[in-house]
Amino acid sequence: EPEVTQTPSHQVTQMGQEVILRCVPISNHLYFYWYRQILGQKVEFLVSFYNNEISEKSEIFDDQFSVERPDGSNFTLKIRSTKLEDSAMYFCASSEQAGSIQYFGAGTRLSVL
Amino acid sequence: DQQVKQNSPSLSVQEGRISILNCDYTNSMFDYFLWYKKYPAEGPTFLISISSIKDKNEDGRFTVFLNKSAKHLSLHIVPSQPGDSAVYFCAASGYGGSQGNLIFGKGTKLSVKP
Repeated sequence: EPEVTQTPSHQVTQMGQEVILRCVPISNHLYFYWYRQILGQKVEFLVSFYNNEISEKSEIFDDQFSVERPDGSNFTLKIRSTKLEDSAMYFCASSEQAGSIQYFGAGTRLSVL
Repeated sequence: DQQVKQNSPSLSVQEGRISILNCDYTNSMFDYFLWYKKYPAEGPTFLISISSIKDKNEDGRFTVFLNKSAKHLSLHIVPSQPGDSAVYFCAASGYGGSQGNLIFGKGTKLSVKP
């Protein structure tokens, strides 16, 4: 069964460093998403991406964040200068169409020290 | 601003009995609702969904009911099995299908006891 894969499973970084979280969406899906879940809180939408551009972003997704689809398979989330409060589980998701079922990866746990 | 609320953080049920998980929403523009199940160290797994034009959707042991006037939906699991023990998230999207982002509730941890 096709699945969304995310790497790494756990990323530890120092405050102020740049991190790149990677995702391989399901191959025939056209819409890609990033969500995050801070420990003990709800899963929150960050950004959606379609046709090589951002289609929607939340207020969490500020100038420190960027997304890219560098090739035909990968979808990345970059945090330019990490802060302590960026520590969270980051989930990538993909769907065939906007508003259709989103399938999630296992997540990357980001720990900012 | 909690647009999607799951007011019960946990629920404990005996194996074989019915589990009922509840979810309330405030935004009348939501038109698509989903339930996800999440095990520790895994991502949310899609379980079942319902469009706002329906009031019930059934898939095996899982049934979702939607009451639009009350802005309430519920997930019924019958019969409950120990493998159903997980955190269940209610999620909503909408605005006529043009918005794909999901708004999640905080989740309800279901424990099914043998």
